[in-house]
Parts: sequence; structure tokens; C-alpha cells
Amino acid sequence: GEDVEQSLFLSVREGDSSVINCTYTDSSSTYLYWYKQEPGAGLQLLTYIFSNMDMKQDQRLTVLLNKKDKHLSLRIADTQTGDSAIYFCADGPGSTLTFGKGTMLLVSP
Amino acid sequence: DAGVIQSPRHEVTEMGQEVTLRCKPISGHDYLFWYRQTMMRGLELLIYFNNNVPIDDSGMPEDRFSAKMPNASFSTLKIQPSEPRDSAVYFCASSETGAKLHEQYFGPGTRLTVT
Repeated sequence: GEDVEQSLFLSVREGDSSVINCTYTDSSSTYLYWYKQEPGAGLQLLTYIFSNMDMKQDQRLTVLLNKKDKHLSLRIADTQTGDSAIYFCADGPGSTLTFGKGTMLLVSP
Repeated sequence: DAGVIQSPRHEVTEMGQEVTLRCKPISGHDYLFWYRQTMMRGLELLIYFNNNVPIDDSGMPEDRFSAKMPNASFSTLKIQPSEPRDSAVYFCASSETGAKLHEQYFGPGTRLTVT
């Protein structure tokens, strides 16, 4: 990957939907990923999407990919306080990943 | 599996001292990655190994940093001499070859503070 950009912060209320956005520049990216980092922990793979897909749904998570605009989003339905964490977008055309700086999601009760 | 294991979890040292960070990847994983995370620069890839061989070390900041992988189950990242600007959280991650190559599993990290 070359460059991955994310907004730094998102605040939502419990029960609302959260949408975290990401843009990337490397058109050769094969997979795009969402990782979650809870305080004091390492990154954990949440979900990923293959570059020839437009959408992937996994329980409360929906990933949308607009390859033309190089835009990736992660929607979390019915956001819970336990979803509060930093979410990283990453792309990987090869054996390595390029990560964004992460979006801090704060869920208030 | 216990996941990726890193030690120590926290390290506080004085400027000029040598620091060694350790990592045990998930058994059977062929790739091992070292990352550094800071507020300013985010997550940076320092170096990665495939089958114990360093493939790309272009992310290593300078000669003070070195990494080794003597066998499939152990890797070290050494900083000598350490400087305050090396303060960061250092993560080790591993992945397996094939269809799951891109699924990296991270350790809990080592928080390094250099005073």
C-alpha cells in the first residue's frame, strides 16, 4: 500500500450506528482490512474484503468498498460501549500491510 | 494456541542503554513483522521476516535498530543505544503463507519508555 487516510475521531451514542471511513491510494490493493485496537492491547483483525467485492456483511459489521473512489467504510450497527476502541483501516497488495492512523470510536451510554 | 507472545510488556530504561524486545510468533506462521506505534506517526512497519529470513528492513529507523530471527519460534528487536525518541509501543505480528497471508495476528505489544 502507499497511503491510507482516516478521520481521527468519532463519537456516537449507544444503540446508534457508527460509520468509519477510509481512503487509500494504492489501486493494486488485493485485500482491505479493518482492525480493532482496545486500550493496552494489540490490533485484532475484525474483518476484511477482497478488492473485487462491493460489500461484506458479518453480523453487526458491514464493509462497503468503492474501488473507483478508493473508499472503504465500516458500519457498526447497534453500537455498544464495548465497541469503544481505535479502528484501523489497512490495505495489502503484497505480504505487508499499510495502516491508517486509526479512528478512535467513543460510544457513550 | 496462546497467540503472539511479547516480552517484556513494559520497559523503562535510560538513554544510552541497550534494549531488547522479544517475540514468539504463533506456531506454524511463516511471516513475522515488527511494528512501532506512536501518536505522531501511527503504526509503522519496521521489518519483516519470512521463514526466519529478513525480507524488508527499510522501515528500520537507523543503525541503532537491529532485528534477528534465529529460529521459527523466536525473534528479537534490539535498540542500542536507546534514545528518548524511541519511546513507543512496539508490536510483533505473525501470519501464515497462502490464502491467509494477509491476516496478521498481533501480540499485546511492549511499551518502551526511554528517559
